[in-house]
Amino acid sequence: QLQLQESGPGLVKPSETLSLTCTVSGGSISSSSYYWGWIRQPPGKGLEWIGSMYYSGSTYHNPSLKSRVTISVDTSKNQFSLKLSSVTAADTAVYYCARFYSSSYAHYWGQGTLVTVSS
Amino acid sequence: DIQMTQSPSTLSAFEGDRVTITCRASQSISSWLAWYQQAPGKAPKVLIYKASSLESGVPSRFSGSGSGTEFTLTISSLQPDDFATYYCQQYYSYSLTFGQGTKVEIK
Repeated sequence: QLQLQESGPGLVKPSETLSLTCTVSGGSISSSSYYWGWIRQPPGKGLEWIGSMYYSGSTYHNPSLKSRVTISVDTSKNQFSLKLSSVTAADTAVYYCARFYSSSYAHYWGQGTLVTVSS
Repeated sequence: DIQMTQSPSTLSAFEGDRVTITCRASQSISSWLAWYQQAPGKAPKVLIYKASSLESGVPSRFSGSGSGTEFTLTISSLQPDDFATYYCQQYYSYSLTFGQGTKVEIK
């Protein structure tokens, strides 16, 4: 059974870079047909797609975040990562990692991790 | 970006009721639409993909329909576990977007 687990700091200071890692178990991150990506949800609000990446490098980002987002894949560790630069309080959210069928819908999700941006 | 608009934002219903949630896209997205269910404090779970295809393991009381710009999610008989928030998501564009959500509450 495929499982995804987010890890990283729960508190980040304003203007700094948020860094999260998603560890994949029960399947290979190098599998064809799947993208790996991130979705976030501010407290009490809806879902926002951040970006998705194929293991070989093809990447798509939310245009509203594109200049601040870096998604990378480490096939040797079966992990992928998110970096979001110059964070503000508006970036406070539960961050989910997910596997996408092609670059379409997310059919496996991590449990989510709350990241708070505060000094 | 393609804007997705769900209605209603909140829906109150009894267990056993048939309920329908609507999702409208700002432009045609063919059938490239998914529906998710999110229970409080949990990650979302996909229910429907390609507008009307039921994800493996999802109960048959859930169904989806529509194409173009208007889509519906129907729950034929609400069960206790179905009281949750539902989201639509388009994947016609590489820039994925979600509806704002519909919360289904117990009446």
